[in-house]
Amino acid sequence: QVQLAESGGGVVKPGGSLRLSCEASGFTFSDYYMTWSRQAPGKGLEWISYISTNSLKIYYADSVKGRFTISRDNVKNSVYLQMNTLRAEDTAVYYCGGVPRSGYTKYWGQGVLVTVSS
Amino acid sequence: DVQMTQSPSTLSASVGDRVTITCRASQSVGSWMAWYQQKPGKAPKLLIYKASTLESGVPSRFSGSGSGTEFTLTITGLQPDDFATYYCQQYDNYSWTFGQGTKVEIK
Repeated sequence: QVQLAESGGGVVKPGGSLRLSCEASGFTFSDYYMTWSRQAPGKGLEWISYISTNSLKIYYADSVKGRFTISRDNVKNSVYLQMNTLRAEDTAVYYCGGVPRSGYTKYWGQGVLVTVSS
Repeated sequence: DVQMTQSPSTLSASVGDRVTITCRASQSVGSWMAWYQQKPGKAPKLLIYKASTLESGVPSRFSGSGSGTEFTLTITGLQPDDFATYYCQQYDNYSWTFGQGTKVEIK
């Protein structure tokens, strides 16, 4: 069955960096755009980035542009989110997602918690 | 960026009720609208995409409609498993946006 397994979360100080990973299985990874969304504690969902199948199309929400970098490895069936210059407001559960080319998230990971605190 | 306004933010209903949730976009998004269900501590689950296409395995009591700037999610015959938070999401352009969410509570 389809699985998306995020890892790399944890506690980091403001200004610090963290790299999230998401390994996919159960579907043809190279056929899917991949996305990262997040959810701050008690808040709604926020889309933050997506990457096309061949990595040629990459987009970010304004809230993370210039600080976060999405990438993927179609051999390892994995997508990554490099997060730099982290702020307290980046504290959230981060979800990776598998996107058929249309743009809705068909597959979701279980989420990984990132806490930015001194 | 396209802003999504979802209403109501909270909805109290009883088992068997018909409930409707609305999402309004700040500009036309065509039919590029999806709806998700989320339960506490869990990842969201896709219900509907392209405004009205039911995702495989989703019960037929869920339906979506609309185009342009106004969209609705309807649950006909609310079931105990349906008490959750629902989000709309537009994917018309290169910047995707979720609505603020609607929590469906037991009346």
